Amino acid sequence: GENVEQHPSTLSVQEGDSAVIKCTYSDSASNYFPWYKQELGKRPQLIIDIRSNVGEKKDQRIAVTLNKTAKHFSLHITETQPEDSAVYFCAVDSGGGADGLTFGKGTHLIIQP
Amino acid sequence: DSGVTQTPKHLITATGQRVTLRCSPRSGDLSVYWYQQSLDQGLQFLIQYYNGEERAKGNILERFSAQQFPDLHSELNLSSLELGDSALYFCASSAQGVLEPQHFGDGTRLSIL
Repeated sequence: GENVEQHPSTLSVQEGDSAVIKCTYSDSASNYFPWYKQELGKRPQLIIDIRSNVGEKKDQRIAVTLNKTAKHFSLHITETQPEDSAVYFCAVDSGGGADGLTFGKGTHLIIQP
Repeated sequence: DSGVTQTPKHLITATGQRVTLRCSPRSGDLSVYWYQQSLDQGLQFLIQYYNGEERAKGNILERFSAQQFPDLHSELNLSSLELGDSALYFCASSAQGVLEPQHFGDGTRLSIL
């Protein structure tokens, strides 16, 4: 099955700086790569997603880049703010026509004031 | 508010018991997914239903089963409960399935005593 590695597990940045979280996956048949933000005790919220026919997608301060050849994708958050503090999960579709998502272990992003 | 409704929010029961978790998808969504979130296993895909039919299976134990009804709501049944089944159980829905955003409900926190 699909294997997703996410790094780092914890990331602390100064407010206003940029944060980058990276994920690698194993199944070359995967085509859908969403990112979720989860605050303590709450549900995962979809913040951005990318499909395999696109190399980069941006939404205000958030961007995702995908390298299908290398099987890795990254989340970039610019001009970080205190409300960006949360756990971020990357995910990958199962490929082969199955629709369940395989999630990374998560990155705890801490924004230092 | 994601539009996905899960009940109950909390469930406390004992080992060996059976419980049923309920999920109503967003209006118009045909696919329902169940995920389990625990500290040691992270977010894991259990099972997906599409328009009443089972579509994909993930790491779902034989003690667990699910179904989707004609009105598209879904139920996850957990039986012969063990201490290790204590976790957050999330339901997500998407319009169709393949390569589409999955929106999560607020989850059911299951505690086994």
